[in-house]
Amino acid sequence: DTAVSQTPKYLVTQMGNDKSIKCEQNLGHDTMYWYKQDSKKFLKIMFSYNNKELIINETVPNRFSPKSPDKAHLNLHINSLELGDSAVYFCASSPRGRANSPLHFGNGTRLTVT
Amino acid sequence: GQSLEQPSEVTAVEGAIVQINCTYQTSGFYGLSWYQQHDGGAPTFLSYNALDGLEETGRFSSFLSRSDSYGYLLLQELQMKDSASYFCAVREGANNLFFGTGTRLTVIP
Repeated sequence: DTAVSQTPKYLVTQMGNDKSIKCEQNLGHDTMYWYKQDSKKFLKIMFSYNNKELIINETVPNRFSPKSPDKAHLNLHINSLELGDSAVYFCASSPRGRANSPLHFGNGTRLTVT
Repeated sequence: GQSLEQPSEVTAVEGAIVQINCTYQTSGFYGLSWYQQHDGGAPTFLSYNALDGLEETGRFSSFLSRSDSYGYLLLQELQMKDSASYFCAVREGANNLFFGTGTRLTVIP
């Protein structure tokens, strides 16, 4: 099936740990994103990558680092996890440069930091 | 910066019509989109307006007024499965999509 897939679906870890979330899309899209959705359901853009180039970074702490080995993958690494990082993280993709193109979201990774 | 405001909650009766409003302030504008998200699920695309007016897609319609920085999503013939959160979203550039605060719609029998 064509889709955006991210793993793991659930991630429970302790403060101070380092963790990664993986994302892959087989839609042939040029742009991939990471969004954070907090407990109040606010969806905030964290990063977008276009052909391996970071094009926006919305005041995200540098403990968060996106890594894109190729056009189809955008992984999210988080260092020194904090309680406030608990949220659902969504990966998404879209074709490049087309304002009317919808974002296709993965099913989310629920991160719980204890 | 960007600001997109929506009502936090709306309740409507099955079979009725409901309108969810969105007002926005952005430094650039490339269109207004709407997304639906069921509890525990991913946001899914509903509609997109680049120009003023009404776009209809089945039971859902979306309206945009660029001069008023305002849009709305209209859901007709409400069904129980329409209970979800609805987000407006604005593109500031070709690759920047910013979401509103979200409206939780509850459809009651």
